[in-house]
This record gives sequence, structure tokens and C-alpha cells, in this order.
Amino acid sequence: DTGVSQNPRHKITKRGQNVTFRCDPISEHNRLYWYRQTLGQGPEFLTYFQNEAQLEKSRLLSDRFSAERPKGSFSTLEIQRTEQGDSAMYLCASSLGQGWQPQHFGDGTRLSIL
Amino acid sequence: QQQVKQSPQSLIVQKGGISIINCAYENTAFDYFPWYQQFPGKGPALLIAIRPDVSEKKEGRFTISFNKSAKQFSLHIMDSQPGDSATYFCAAYNTNAGKSTFGDGTTLTVKP
Repeated sequence: DTGVSQNPRHKITKRGQNVTFRCDPISEHNRLYWYRQTLGQGPEFLTYFQNEAQLEKSRLLSDRFSAERPKGSFSTLEIQRTEQGDSAMYLCASSLGQGWQPQHFGDGTRLSIL
Repeated sequence: QQQVKQSPQSLIVQKGGISIINCAYENTAFDYFPWYQQFPGKGPALLIAIRPDVSEKKEGRFTISFNKSAKQFSLHIMDSQPGDSATYFCAAYNTNAGKSTFGDGTTLTVKP
């Protein structure tokens, strides 16, 4: 059973650059979530997909952020024109669909903005 | 607006002791309450979860107590071990919105 895989594990970039993260969920899971976690805080919900449909987006997800899940498999999260405040751990989780199901988290991508 | 408040921020217990972490929520639309454990450099891992129509759930050394009228729930770790040293997050899930709201975490240190 391979878990949720996130790449890259670490990303260092200069302010103003674009970055893209990838998440590969557990294969039979049709729900995929993105969270952001800063030091000393719990994960904050960003968005989630049911198969390829993006069903919910947080107000935290400004127009610089975009997420996709083509074909309902892997997902990408892109941040355009990065800012210092974007520095955080970006976590992906997946679960089976319908109602509450345990969410399985990846180990995240840590983004550092210089 | 912090919808899930968690306390304490940090906790130190002796090996074999009981660790207690508390959470309170505001939104009555939440309908599932999981607890997660997170080690440094790792993503959160589900420990145990409870529905609001159940007052207590136990799995091994971990017990959730739930008080629906007070909108509070807590995690009890019995016989705490040094390997339990981690950050613990409570969360509240809203089925209609399809998302979880997390508390800010409790860093637990179990001293040998």
C-alpha cells in the first residue's frame, strides 16, 4: 500500500517566481485535499477535489493559487508570483468519497521564499 | 475566526502518566471529530475519530471524550510513552462542506 506521495519535498525560490507542487494520492481514493501549514499552526484547508471536480475552495486560495486534478488522479498546486507569506508546508491528503472518511496525508512540500 | 480552539499549547508528562488535550468548537455543522498525530517532517496521521452522537470512544491507549452540549471534546492518552512525543491536532469535519478545520496543535513531551 503506497501512501500519498508529494513532490518535491523542499522548494526554495525567489520572491516573484512561480512554483508547482505535485500530489499522487492513494490509487483508489477519489477525494484529494490541499492544506497549508505554517509553523506552530494546524493545517489550513485550501481546496478539495472529488475525482476531477474541484468542489470547495477556501478564501485563503487567492487568484495566485490554482489547483488541478486532471483525470481524477494526481493533482498539482501552482502558486504564481510567490510572496514571502507563501512560505509554508503544503500538505496533500486523500480519502475515499462520500461523508467522512479518514484522510491520509502526505509528508508535504516545504516552500521557502527568499 | 478560530472555529476550533485547542489547549494546552504544550504538555510535559512523565512516562506512564495520562496526557489530556482539550478542544472546543463553535460551528454546530461539524459532524465528525478526528484527532491526528504529527511527527517532525511528517504529515499528520489519523489516531482516532468520533461522531457527535457518541460520548466516548476508546482505541488502545487513546480515548476521545465528547460533550455535545458543551461543544467540547478531549483526547486522553493513557500510560504515555516517550514514543508518544509528537504534536497532536484535533479537527472538526463538516460533511456538507467536505472539509476539516484543525486546532493549532499541542506539543506533547513524554519524559522517560
